[in-house]
Amino acid sequence: KQEVTQIPAALSVPEGENLVLNCSFTDSAIYNLQWFRQDPGKGLTSLLLIQSSQREQTSGRLNASLDKSSGRSTLYIAASQPGDSATYLCAVRETSGSRLTFGEGTQLTVNP
Amino acid sequence: DTGVSQDPRHKITKRGQNVTFRCDPISEHNRLYWYRQTLGQGPEFLTYFQNEAQLEKSRLLSDRFSAERPKGSFSTLEIQRTEQGDSAMYLCASSRRDGASYNEQFFGPGTRLTVL
Repeated sequence: KQEVTQIPAALSVPEGENLVLNCSFTDSAIYNLQWFRQDPGKGLTSLLLIQSSQREQTSGRLNASLDKSSGRSTLYIAASQPGDSATYLCAVRETSGSRLTFGEGTQLTVNP
Repeated sequence: DTGVSQDPRHKITKRGQNVTFRCDPISEHNRLYWYRQTLGQGPEFLTYFQNEAQLEKSRLLSDRFSAERPKGSFSTLEIQRTEQGDSAMYLCASSRRDGASYNEQFFGPGTRLTVL
């Protein structure tokens, strides 16, 4: 059974810092990996999707990397802003199906 | 492209009552997914449809839960005889065929269910 773990569970940083969120998964037979953002009480906003054949994806200040063989992904946020405060979730889609398996998320607070 | 929409956004009900939620996917998205999220946890998969066919159901989807997508467009999720443990955010997502497969899932705002 696929298990996804995110570390740390919570992170508080001052505005302007660069930061890294970590995601690990137990079964490397994945089709892709998605990073999401969730604001309190809201739905999920897709940030980046990395196919299993890719090593990284970039969107603005966000960069996500994938090391499928070691079962790890990182989300790098450059020059953090208070508006980046949210919970960040990673999810993997296995090659055997269409469901996403999520981690529990990292709650990020960026202090002005 | 107006995004995935869900209705209602909030539902409060008494234990034992039936509730029904609706999801409208992004137009022309063939696949529609339902997930459930409890406080402090990541979403958990419930079921998904390709067009009107329900292709996979999680073991989380007990006999009290039923989902339909009758015309391959919107979907409904019904919970019968609600229990306090059903209190959660119910999230809907959709995706379209991209080349040989289906990739990015786009989520709606969710329906928050509270069972008293």
